[in-house]
Amino acid sequence: EAQVTQNPRYLITVTGKKLTVTCSQNMNHEYMSWYRQDPGLGLRQIYYSMNVEVTDKGDVPEGYKVSRKEKRNFPLILESPSPNQTSLYFCASSFLGQDNQPQHFGDGTRLSIL
Amino acid sequence: AQSVSQHNHHVILSEAASLELGCNYSYGGTVNLFWYVQYPGQHLQLLLKYFSGDPLVKGIKGFEAEFIKSKFSFNLRKPSVQWSDTAEYFCAVGGYNKLIFGAGTRLAVHP
Repeated sequence: EAQVTQNPRYLITVTGKKLTVTCSQNMNHEYMSWYRQDPGLGLRQIYYSMNVEVTDKGDVPEGYKVSRKEKRNFPLILESPSPNQTSLYFCASSFLGQDNQPQHFGDGTRLSIL
Repeated sequence: AQSVSQHNHHVILSEAASLELGCNYSYGGTVNLFWYVQYPGQHLQLLLKYFSGDPLVKGIKGFEAEFIKSKFSFNLRKPSVQWSDTAEYFCAVGGYNKLIFGAGTRLAVHP
């Protein structure tokens, strides 16, 4: 089954404790992206990657890191989480092509930073 | 600046009522337009998309949207909503490497 898998689904942690949210896709997609969803703001892009070892900032990259060492994985790293990073996070993937392919989304990770 | 504006933040309808959700965008270059739906507790799912051609696009579950280039709009419509359409709806505009989402519209359909 084609899917984007995120882990964990829920996490409550404290300020400053490093955490990683994993994202894996099994569709051989080149493009992967992280979004955060906040009430009234929709989804905002954090980082994206167009292929292995190729990453770039989205609209709200501050406080986040990513890596793309393998095509299927695109982890999101919060080195020193802060309460303003409490949010719902979605990973997405798609093929690159002449048109922007609809992105496949994971089930989301709800982070609470205390 | 690139942006997407959804005018209705909350919509409440009775079953069988007609639905129209507004979406206006500001985007330079070739426009690809999408509507996504997010059912409670679930991830986003694609309802429909417009890349080129017929500006009236039909999607899943009886939804359709019309691209009006002169108005920079891509409104979502459904002639008769059901309780199961209760969800949040997001309009998005995309280029080569990113999607820009609107703030979303929460739709509640009462039986």
